[in-house]
Amino acid sequence: ETGVTQTPRHLVMGMTNKKSLKCEQHLGHNAMYWYKQSAKKPLELMFVYNFKEQTENNSVPSRFSPECPNSSHLFLHLHTLQPEDSALYLCASSQDAQGFGTEAFFGQGTRLTVV
Amino acid sequence: AQSVTQLGSHVSVSEGALVLLRCNYSSSVPPYLFWYVQYPNQGLQLLLKYTSAATLVKGINGFEAEFKKSETSFHLTKPSAHMSDAAEYFCAVSSNTGNQFYFGTGTSLTVIP
Repeated sequence: ETGVTQTPRHLVMGMTNKKSLKCEQHLGHNAMYWYKQSAKKPLELMFVYNFKEQTENNSVPSRFSPECPNSSHLFLHLHTLQPEDSALYLCASSQDAQGFGTEAFFGQGTRLTVV
Repeated sequence: AQSVTQLGSHVSVSEGALVLLRCNYSSSVPPYLFWYVQYPNQGLQLLLKYTSAATLVKGINGFEAEFKKSETSFHLTKPSAHMSDAAEYFCAVSSNTGNQFYFGTGTSLTVIP
């Protein structure tokens, strides 16, 4: 399997639940990203990992907790979410976060609904 | 700081007509520019990118874009629209400091038979 794979594709969770989103890339990249895509809003960068180290946290609430155990895997742990957190969560990877002009490759996303 | 502005959140064209999707960028350093396409319930797929080589960039599916520094623009075009081109299109910019891609708000393209 190649590219960037996200699981699950769809997730419905209650506000008191704890769940995790998983992202795996088979491209040999060293940088991985989490984006949030809400209707009518630009893609919001949430977190950046470069060589397994978190390099960006764009003021994301603590109810979102990322984990990057190695350069191929990225998780987003979710707990006590709010309905406004419902969105499409996209994972991406690139050669590295300092790569000049290298593009990001995206997974198909996880459609999250918080009820 | 880098940013992109996409003019027109919705564009409709007839099948076979010219597609023109507009993107203007703001960057204090030479930018790297990208166009991505997103089909419903899918991730973003790269159409093409500009990395300071040729100003006219050809991408997949017959799309191309021209970098115009004087106009700070990177508009996406396709000579003849196909029904399968209906999707959401995003312009993005990154800089030579890397690390982040800044996306526009997207343009939804409708192709009318």
